[in-house]
Amino acid sequence: DGGITQSPKYLFRKEGQNVTLSCEQNLNHDAMYWYRQDPGQGLRLIYYSQIVNDFQKGDIAEGYSVSREKKESFPLTVTSAQKNPTAFYLCASRGPRAPQETQYFGPGTRLLVL
Amino acid sequence: GQSLEQPSEVTAVEGAIVQINCTYQTSGFYGLSWYQQHDGGAPTFLSYNGLDGLEETGRFSSFLSRSDSYGYLLLQELQMKDSASYFCAVPSPSGNTPLVFGKGTRLSVIA
Repeated sequence: DGGITQSPKYLFRKEGQNVTLSCEQNLNHDAMYWYRQDPGQGLRLIYYSQIVNDFQKGDIAEGYSVSREKKESFPLTVTSAQKNPTAFYLCASRGPRAPQETQYFGPGTRLLVL
Repeated sequence: GQSLEQPSEVTAVEGAIVQINCTYQTSGFYGLSWYQQHDGGAPTFLSYNGLDGLEETGRFSSFLSRSDSYGYLLLQELQMKDSASYFCAVPSPSGNTPLVFGKGTRLSVIA
């Protein structure tokens, strides 16, 4: 079945450690996105990519980095510079039909700091 | 820029009807979408309105008034499983750029 997968479901980070969250899609979508969600809050955009080998910063990019070497994959690295990384991270993708195109989300990764 | 306002919480009784409002300010407007998110889960698409009026999908309906910069999601015959957060979102004119989401309305359905 087509969809978006994220791994791991839970991730623990130690102080000063970089961690990478995986996001894979087989929907053949060009555009992919990373959002951060804090408890009881909305979705804040971290980074997005409209095409392979290209990405743009979202509203809260500081302390995060991404790569887009393949169409199917858009991993997010939470660096040690991100001082408050505990949150629910959601990856999404979207097809080219605008503006009514549905945005599909992965199941999310919950990041916790030890 | 784009911003969306929606109530933070709504409570309604099982079997009743509830309306969740969304007002928006956008530099250009290309429609209003609604997403549902259960606790711990991923948002899922509910509806899209590109033109004024009511769109119905089963128990859920969504309304848009572009002249009022206003829309709402209407949930009928509420069920306990409808307890979730509901987000309105504004698409961009380009299919590949991100949606802008409101902060979400948490709906609690009580017996």
